Amino acid sequence: DAGVTQSPTHLIKTRGQQVTLRCSPKSGHDTVSWYQQALGQGPQFIFQYYEEEERQRGNFPDRFSGHQFPNYSSELNVNALLLGDSALYLCASSLEGGSGNTIYFGEGSWLTVV
Amino acid sequence: AQKVTQAQTEISVVEKEDVTLDCVYETRDTTYYLFWYKQPPSGELVFLIRRNSFDEQNEISGRYSWNFQKSTSSFNFTITASQVVDSAVYFCALSEEASSGSARQLTFGSGTQLTVLP
Repeated sequence: DAGVTQSPTHLIKTRGQQVTLRCSPKSGHDTVSWYQQALGQGPQFIFQYYEEEERQRGNFPDRFSGHQFPNYSSELNVNALLLGDSALYLCASSLEGGSGNTIYFGEGSWLTVV
Repeated sequence: AQKVTQAQTEISVVEKEDVTLDCVYETRDTTYYLFWYKQPPSGELVFLIRRNSFDEQNEISGRYSWNFQKSTSSFNFTITASQVVDSAVYFCALSEEASSGSARQLTFGSGTQLTVLP
């Protein structure tokens, strides 16, 4: 049973560029959330997707956008990268309507903006 | 607004000692979920436990145990007979419950770095 998988694992971008991160949820899960974790801090919620729509959004600018595909996989896009966007980006998946569902995380994508 | 406080930034113990990680939360919701995750240097958040707000029964799983007390808004985590492999950052997190019964966005504490020395 595959867990949450993310790609790429590591990447380096230049300030002003755009980046796309990808996530495949755990088998059987239909809800995907994205989190940003800066060094030495706890993860911060970016947004959540369910049924291909953004259902919840945290306090992040519009430069952060996402998408969920019919197979439940998801992408996170960040435009006009800033140095402060350097962080670990974590994808989490869960099952809507599950009895107190558990939220599982992938290993994350380490983004460095130079 | 929801808030999770992990007052212990770093804890260092010697192998085989017991260690308790503290977590205090704030929420206006009457139903919610509490979680503990472990994050090794690789970065992945490893799920340890989930507890519903209406279930205050404490739990023991091997060397791990959890103490949930709604009266003090605390959800503490204890590792008995710690091992070097337990060294990691541990996060406590809180989530509201949606009408469907699902968990929504997680609000994390700032984490506690646990170092177990041989």
